[in-house]
Amino acid sequence: QQQVKQSPQSLIVQKGGISIINCAYENTAFDYFPWYQQFPGKGPALLIAIRPDVSEKKEGRFTISFNKSAKQFSLHIMDSQPGDSATYFCAASNNQGGKLIFGQGTELSVKP
Amino acid sequence: DGGITQSPKYLFRKEGQNVTLSCEQNLNHDAMYWYRQDPGQGLRLIYYSQIVNDFQKGDIAEGYSVSREKKESFPLTVTSAQKNPTAFYLCASSKAGATRYEQYFGPGTRLTVT
Repeated sequence: QQQVKQSPQSLIVQKGGISIINCAYENTAFDYFPWYQQFPGKGPALLIAIRPDVSEKKEGRFTISFNKSAKQFSLHIMDSQPGDSATYFCAASNNQGGKLIFGQGTELSVKP
Repeated sequence: DGGITQSPKYLFRKEGQNVTLSCEQNLNHDAMYWYRQDPGQGLRLIYYSQIVNDFQKGDIAEGYSVSREKKESFPLTVTSAQKNPTAFYLCASSKAGATRYEQYFGPGTRLTVT
């Protein structure tokens, strides 16, 4: 019940295309859903986050869509650029000391 | 510059030796966390601390120990009891309260044990 399942494991997108990464969870007590971006050899960086009282949040080219009834949330990267090539992690938290449960990660490659 | 510092970036040890990884933050964050990252896997929580002199086990605490004597510092010791210590170790910190969940990560330490 504490798991967050992320798909796909890897994704190749052409420059200018839309990258879509999906996550699903079981624990309905989760109330915070962040996405992190990680470049090779670096620590993850917080990209965008959403709480379940909204269905969508947009920041620049990055959008989180949240479906509470389906217990799913996704990251959309519009106009994908080669600089977006990185590993993306979704996560979820249920207010237990700030503990984050991470998905397995998606390695995104944007081809020029 | 405010941020999280982890040192060293690369660390090599022989099997059977304990090793301590450093994590320092000057963000004035109350909470600090240690994660382990293995290839193809997400981040797994080792230990976390919400206040000085207090810490809790995460999901994979066996073979690890921590201390939190200062707000700014949260060192992690990988003991010889950890059966598979080679990994990328990440430290994070966050504020308490409404923004408690926004964790900021350090650059990581890659530990190799042979």
